[in-house]
Amino acid sequence: EAQVTQNPRYLITVTGKKLTVTCSQNMNHEYMSWYRQDPGLGLRQIYYSMNVEVTDKGDVPEGYKVSRKEKRNFPLILESPSPNQTSLYFCASRAGRGYNEQFFGPGTRLTVL
Amino acid sequence: GENVEQHPSTLSVQEGDSAVIKCTYSDSASNYFPWYKQELGKGPQLIIDIRSNVGEKKDQRIAVTLNKTAKHFSLHITETQPEDSAVYFCAASIRGGATNKLIFGTGTLLAVQP
Repeated sequence: EAQVTQNPRYLITVTGKKLTVTCSQNMNHEYMSWYRQDPGLGLRQIYYSMNVEVTDKGDVPEGYKVSRKEKRNFPLILESPSPNQTSLYFCASRAGRGYNEQFFGPGTRLTVL
Repeated sequence: GENVEQHPSTLSVQEGDSAVIKCTYSDSASNYFPWYKQELGKGPQLIIDIRSNVGEKKDQRIAVTLNKTAKHFSLHITETQPEDSAVYFCAASIRGGATNKLIFGTGTLLAVQP
């Protein structure tokens, strides 16, 4: 089944404790993105990647890092999480240039205490 | 920066009635407008999209209309059913960095009352 998977689905952590949210897609898509969803703000792009080793900032990149060492994986790294990063996070992928449909993962709900 | 405004934020309709959600975008260069449905506990899923060279597109009970001059587009759901209850997001493409990206609206919670 073609899908985007994320892990973990739920995470409660404390301020300053480094964490990684994994994202993997099995559709051989070139483009991958991370979004955060907050009430009243919709979905905002954090980072995106156009291919292996090619990443760029989205609209709200502060406090986040990403890497794209393999085409299928695009982990999101919070090196020193803070309470304002409490949010619902989505990973998404799309085939590439000229292909617009984005496929979203099921989401990761993160709480930073 | 570029933005997409979406209204209403909540919408309650009776089963069988129609529902309309409206969005306005700011970037006149936007050329792709998707609508996503997000069910509880799941990620958004594309339900319909429209390109700027088309004024209307229909897929069974859902339709999207686009007015490029006014820079707004709408989602129409007819004969609503309880399974249509979800959060709906509109989006518009903008040029961001080396590639196009989507700017999302703030979402509409649609409740279909049986």
